Amino acid sequence: QKEVEQDPGPLSVPEGAIVSLNCTYSNSAFQYFMWYRQYSRKGPELLMYTYSSGNKEDGRFTAQVDKSSKYISLFIRDSQPSDSATYLCAMTSSGTYKYIFGTGTRLKVLA
Amino acid sequence: DVKVTQSSRYLVKRTGEKVFLECVQDMDHENMFWYRQDPGLGLRLIYFSYDVKMKEKGDIPEGYSVSREKKERFSLILESASTNQTSMYLCASSILFYEQYFGPGTRLTVT
Repeated sequence: QKEVEQDPGPLSVPEGAIVSLNCTYSNSAFQYFMWYRQYSRKGPELLMYTYSSGNKEDGRFTAQVDKSSKYISLFIRDSQPSDSATYLCAMTSSGTYKYIFGTGTRLKVLA
Repeated sequence: DVKVTQSSRYLVKRTGEKVFLECVQDMDHENMFWYRQDPGLGLRLIYFSYDVKMKEKGDIPEGYSVSREKKERFSLILESASTNQTSMYLCASSILFYEQYFGPGTRLTVT
């Protein structure tokens, strides 16, 4: 079993839809949970991070962490064609810079 | 804005060649990383460095070495390239646990 599982998609949604992207993990030591966005032929860029459990909101994006279920989510409201990209979850524990990445979910928002 | 640059976007090398991939960051970050990204496997850490001349093995260091002579520059070396090293190589730098800045990637093909 992989340490981090992420559905690869692709996920196609119409413009304006609410998108839900998810990862599950097995290591209870993880404390930092990140979401990266990667456009085609570019490197990943950090969208949001959450420390421990809870929710975090930034504009149209909301990150949720449920440590009891070992489940993290990224919600995108009012999705736009410019949100079409691959979304990678990543996680790490305190005291280490070694991330474990999910394999990424490819999202396509149709105009 | 943090800038991480990689020496080549695309590279084609022959089996057995020695290959150098260069990465430069302009933000005085202590930490630098080399990943490879493969479909279905996500990003996997090859090596990272937390200071000049300091390095640590990641999850898949076999067949690779690194060099960090100056803070801003981190090089990945394939001593004798093999076809299973055909991949996208991504360099990143960071100063905080939860944020890594990635370069645009080098797509290496070994024939």
